[in-house]
Amino acid sequence: DADVTQTPRNRITKTGKRIMLECSQTKGHDRMYWYRQDPGLGLRLIYYSFDVKDINKGEISDGYSVSRQAQAKFSLSLESAIPNQTALYFCATSKQGAWAGELFFGEGSRLTVL
Amino acid sequence: DQQVKQNSPSLSVQEGRISILNCDYTNSMFDYFLWYKKYPAEGPTFLISISSIKDKNEDGRFTVFLNKSAKHLSLHIVPSQPGDSAVYFCAASKSSGDKLTFGTGTRLAVRP
Repeated sequence: DADVTQTPRNRITKTGKRIMLECSQTKGHDRMYWYRQDPGLGLRLIYYSFDVKDINKGEISDGYSVSRQAQAKFSLSLESAIPNQTALYFCATSKQGAWAGELFFGEGSRLTVL
Repeated sequence: DQQVKQNSPSLSVQEGRISILNCDYTNSMFDYFLWYKKYPAEGPTFLISISSIKDKNEDGRFTVFLNKSAKHLSLHIVPSQPGDSAVYFCAASKSSGDKLTFGTGTRLAVRP
């Protein structure tokens, strides 16, 4: 089983719909992140959380919200999806500590907003 | 404002030859750098890292070079293998535990 699991893996929705992407991890890491990948733009940080009570905005948080329900779970919500939120979304985790910059990614959730 | 840039979107190399992937950054506060590799339909996976106190780090066929004065790092793969064909992202952070800023990626194709 994957250490970082994202659901759903693929989703097609319509403009204005609410969408939630879920992430769970078995690595025991404190830190969790949501990134989106777009062609030519690389990976951009949406939100991150360093522990259960900590939520921080990333580079492109507008139009998104997150919830850290437990150490192992971090969900990303699009309250009213729009077509330019069509992208590949990745959840990632990392551990706190020296030289802990290494991220462990899930397999991605492909979202299409029509 | 793209703080980490990979100016070559793609690179094609013959099997057995050297692959050199480049990355430039603008933020002088970055002091920890990483390379990730991504295959289609998979998440990125960590490949190699380097801190700013070093100018070279080697791991098997992979070597990362850091030139702080030029704000430039490169990843060398020698010898290149077809299985190395993937998208490579460089990333940087202001400290080892800080969030990462990623580049735009370079797609490497290794021809048999």
